[in-house]
Amino acid sequence: DVKVTQSSRYLVKRTGEKVFLECVQDMDHENMFWYRQDPGLGLRLIYFSYDVKMKEKGDIPEGYSVSREKKERFSLILESASTNQTSMYLCASRRDREVGYGYTFGSGTRLTVV
Amino acid sequence: GQQVMQIPQYQHVQEGEDFTTYCNSSTTLSNIQWYKQRPGGHPVFLIQLVKSGEVKKQKRLTFQFGEAKKNSSLHITATQTTDVGTYFCAAQGGSEKLVFGKGTKLTVNP
Repeated sequence: DVKVTQSSRYLVKRTGEKVFLECVQDMDHENMFWYRQDPGLGLRLIYFSYDVKMKEKGDIPEGYSVSREKKERFSLILESASTNQTSMYLCASRRDREVGYGYTFGSGTRLTVV
Repeated sequence: GQQVMQIPQYQHVQEGEDFTTYCNSSTTLSNIQWYKQRPGGHPVFLIQLVKSGEVKKQKRLTFQFGEAKKNSSLHITATQTTDVGTYFCAAQGGSEKLVFGKGTKLTVNP
């Protein structure tokens, strides 16, 4: 089974801190994604990457950046954390154009910014 | 950008009753996917529908994709307490990017 591992389950950071959320997948998937999940708003796409060093903005990229230096690792960076970035962050991966298979999600990182 | 509307937002049923959630898009989709998220868990892929009018079954779950490829439904027959969770549809247009509906939260009274 594909495994998507997020480095932290819970994280508490202070306003203004630079925050790194790490995600690693072990099945050589080309595509990786970062979503945030908030009550009543569902899952919203922040950034995605379809190859090493490639990135594309999702629907809510403001305040975030990403890095994909290796195929298996996709990092989400909060340049200067703010309280409105308190959320559950979900990483996902998927093989390119694979029919019959969906995203595999990590267990999520619940980030609290105080 | 692409939007997907999912209804209802909440559904509470008695164990043994049926449950249906609906998903609608204003644009034609290349495919639609369904996910289940248990309380405290992460979304887990259930199924992908690709063909117009497609119907797929997984035990008590029946998934349909509309003829125009703009809507989809998930029907659960005779719900059980293990069905509790939030069910999301996710629409794929022309790229690998998925747009998720806001989900239907199902609670089951034993």
